[in-house]
Amino acid sequence: DADVTQTPRNRITKTGKRIMLECSQTKGHDRMYWYRQDPGLGLRLIYYSFDVKDINKGEISDGYSVSRQAQAKFSLSLESAIPNQTALYFCATSDFTLAGGKDTQYFGPGTRLTVL
Amino acid sequence: AQTVTQSQPEMSVQEAETVTLSCTYDTSESDYYLFWYKQPPSRQMILVIRQEAYKQQNATENRFSVNFQKAAKSFSLKISDSQLGDAAMYFCAYRVTGNQFYFGTGTSLTVIP
Repeated sequence: DADVTQTPRNRITKTGKRIMLECSQTKGHDRMYWYRQDPGLGLRLIYYSFDVKDINKGEISDGYSVSRQAQAKFSLSLESAIPNQTALYFCATSDFTLAGGKDTQYFGPGTRLTVL
Repeated sequence: AQTVTQSQPEMSVQEAETVTLSCTYDTSESDYYLFWYKQPPSRQMILVIRQEAYKQQNATENRFSVNFQKAAKSFSLKISDSQLGDAAMYFCAYRVTGNQFYFGTGTSLTVIP
């Protein structure tokens, strides 16, 4: 089984709809991240969470919100989807700890979101 | 501001040959990590190699190696004996310890049979 899973894998929705993308991990990592990938722009950070009570905005958080329901679950919501939010969305975890970790990110398989 | 630049949007290599992908970054930090990730058509992001800035020795993983030039803020990836399965988008990434990642815009690698 995959260590980082995302649901759904593909989603088509209409402008103005509320959408939730879900991420679960079995790696036991505290840190989780949401990115979006657009052609020619690479990956840009939307939100990140260092633990259940610690959520931070990333580079492009406008129009998005997140919820860290548990150590293993981190959801991304688009409150009112718009066409320029059409992108590939990745969830990731990090093995960083204060005691020292390899500080590497592990990615889910991605969610392809299309907003019409 | 931390930035990562990949100046080669597309590269190609003959099968079994060697190719080098370029990456430069901008930082005022002294302690950080650098990564290369591979994204094949399956779109899964796969870690290729990792380099700690405090290590002078260049990281290697089988056919993949890096040329890390800290003073020049350069972190290139060399793929030796290229295989068809190496065809993918490659992303360079930078991270200050404990903080968020910054990714480059990617280099699309084509392997020619």
